[in-house]
Amino acid sequence: AQSVTQLGSHVSVSEGALVLLRCNYSSSVPPYLFWYVQYPNQGLQLLLKYTSAATLVKGINGFEAEFKKSETSFHLTKPSAHMSDAAEYFCAVSDVPGNQFYFGTGTSLTVIP
Amino acid sequence: GAVVSQHPSWVICKSGTSVKIECRSLDFQATTMFWYRQFPKQSLMLMATSNEGSKATYEQGVEKDKFLINHASLTLSTLTVTSAHPEDSSFYICSAKELYNEQFFGPGTRLTVL
Repeated sequence: AQSVTQLGSHVSVSEGALVLLRCNYSSSVPPYLFWYVQYPNQGLQLLLKYTSAATLVKGINGFEAEFKKSETSFHLTKPSAHMSDAAEYFCAVSDVPGNQFYFGTGTSLTVIP
Repeated sequence: GAVVSQHPSWVICKSGTSVKIECRSLDFQATTMFWYRQFPKQSLMLMATSNEGSKATYEQGVEKDKFLINHASLTLSTLTVTSAHPEDSSFYICSAKELYNEQFFGPGTRLTVL
């Protein structure tokens, strides 16, 4: 069975500050992990994904995430927040990239000017 | 990258009517499509998985007679909400994949049932 837990349903950061969104996973097999961003009334946009290659994954818009097996974590970070980063972020896990996704409950990011 | 479209992007209907939502893969053959439902401020919940040419597999608690899914071709899947009621109002998102490749998500359809 697979699942993800996103700690913190709401995160607020100041513009220019570090963004850290937490995701912990549970998986009985080596996981494939994803971060998606969703803007209001829109679909999901893939930020980055881990598929068993490099543990530090760089994505779009300056985001990156590090897969830590010992901590079962895949936290999303960005060194400097922009106003345009304000959105809902979802972490997801799958046993293989094309199979069913299990999504976390999401984290709403607010960027304060 | 692969593109998945949904039509319509939003729809308003009266209670008791049926609504059809289309999900299309524009530049690849989608052997599998997934349908998700998202309530406001909540996560995506998988409703069903459909493989081209076969019956959809529904998640526990999803009424297959209410949410009819058809995946008749490698580029098109449809979700029909039959006898819609206000509680069916939600954001419906599809995703599609080709064989063992990753999923690509559509932009979603906002359904409002009056």
